[in-house]
Amino acid sequence: EAGVAQSPRYKIIEKRQSVAFWCNPISGHATLYWYQQILGQGPKLLIQFQNNGVVDDSQLPKDRFSAERLKGVDSTLKIQPAKLEDSAVYLCASSFGQGLAGEFEQFFGPGTRLTVL
Amino acid sequence: AQTVTQSQPEMSVQEAETVTLSCTYDTSESDYYLFWYKQPPSRQMILVIRQEAYKQQNATENRFSVNFQKAAKSFSLKISDSQLGDAAMYFCAYCDQGGSEKLVFGKGTKLTVNP
Repeated sequence: EAGVAQSPRYKIIEKRQSVAFWCNPISGHATLYWYQQILGQGPKLLIQFQNNGVVDDSQLPKDRFSAERLKGVDSTLKIQPAKLEDSAVYLCASSFGQGLAGEFEQFFGPGTRLTVL
Repeated sequence: AQTVTQSQPEMSVQEAETVTLSCTYDTSESDYYLFWYKQPPSRQMILVIRQEAYKQQNATENRFSVNFQKAAKSFSLKISDSQLGDAAMYFCAYCDQGGSEKLVFGKGTKLTVNP
């Protein structure tokens, strides 16, 4: 079974530039999550989708971050304009959802490491 | 809001020995999940073990087991017969059962395994 795919794996940009990350979840997973992991910290949820609808985006800095999940499959996270403090690893995860198809588990992709100079 | 605390930024263990990683959490909910995730240097987060709060029996997965103390809101991970491949960051995480499904993570513990 293919895992969660993310691209690119690494990205270096200058502040005030824009950047986009892509995620393709495991086939059949209705729920998709984007997490931000700053060096030395645990991941923090930015946004959660159920199919193509947003469930939770309370911690997404909406003045500069945006995300979409058209057609309820793959997703794109965008930052525009980037700030130095956006340097982090951006992790995508997916799940069937609680109580569905077995016990609840989120599966993570390899992440995209963003460096903002 | 739920919080997860891992008080050990770094731990080390000799190969073949046993190590315990600590985790405490704070919640007002009675139904929830707790997890330990492993993140090797390649950064792919992998689920190690899961515990449902309603289950009194501690979860076990091969060399990994947990000590779940619901009243104390404590959830420690024991790794037996440590192997070099166990070296990684370990994150404790919490999730409401029946809620939004988001994971709340601790800051992690870096485990070093010495040969």
